[in-house]
Amino acid sequence: AQSVTQPDIHITVSEGASLELRCNYSYGATPYLFWYVQSPGQGLQLLLKYFSGDTLVQGIKGFEAEFKRSQSSFNLRKPSVHWSDAAEYFCAVAPSGSQGNLIFGKGTKLSVKP
Amino acid sequence: GAVVSQHPSRVICKSGTSVKIECRSLDFQATTMFWYRQFPKKSLMLMATSNEGSKATYEQGVEKDKFLINHASLTLSTLTVTSAHPEDSSFYICSARLAGGVYGYTFGSGTRLTVV
Repeated sequence: AQSVTQPDIHITVSEGASLELRCNYSYGATPYLFWYVQSPGQGLQLLLKYFSGDTLVQGIKGFEAEFKRSQSSFNLRKPSVHWSDAAEYFCAVAPSGSQGNLIFGKGTKLSVKP
Repeated sequence: GAVVSQHPSRVICKSGTSVKIECRSLDFQATTMFWYRQFPKKSLMLMATSNEGSKATYEQGVEKDKFLINHASLTLSTLTVTSAHPEDSSFYICSARLAGGVYGYTFGSGTRLTVV
């Protein structure tokens, strides 16, 4: 069965520091990959997505993610974190070429300290 | 871009009553919508897949008689929590799959349901 693992439940970084949130997936083929951000009590906002092509994907708010097939990973990065980035981040996958639903990881809560 | 409008954003209801949550696709036709439930500090759990004009497909363990889903038009899907109990209190989010062209999903802003 497909699954998504976000090994870090909670990460705290200092404002201005770099950030990397980890995501690993388990799937027979290369799925479609997504990162979403959720502020408290809000819905989900798409940060970026990967379908095919260039394995380094640029998203909104200065985020990027790199797909590494050999590691089944799709880690999210940001070179300099802002206090407004504090939120919950979800990695998600969908089977490529299908009409299926998204499968979410358990999320990583990001806290930013001044 | 594609927008899904979800209402209400918050609702408090008494035990035993029913609550309807609406999701509307504002500028596109959503043939398929997904309904998720999110427990505090937990990930999103898919409850059901709603297809326009047909019965919803429920995930294992989700009571279809309790969580009624209707997708009567290409722009509206509703989730009705019937005979609500405090354990139904949760955050419910709908999502529409974008058809044609770029493959992706868009989410509603969520509904915080509190059953007292």
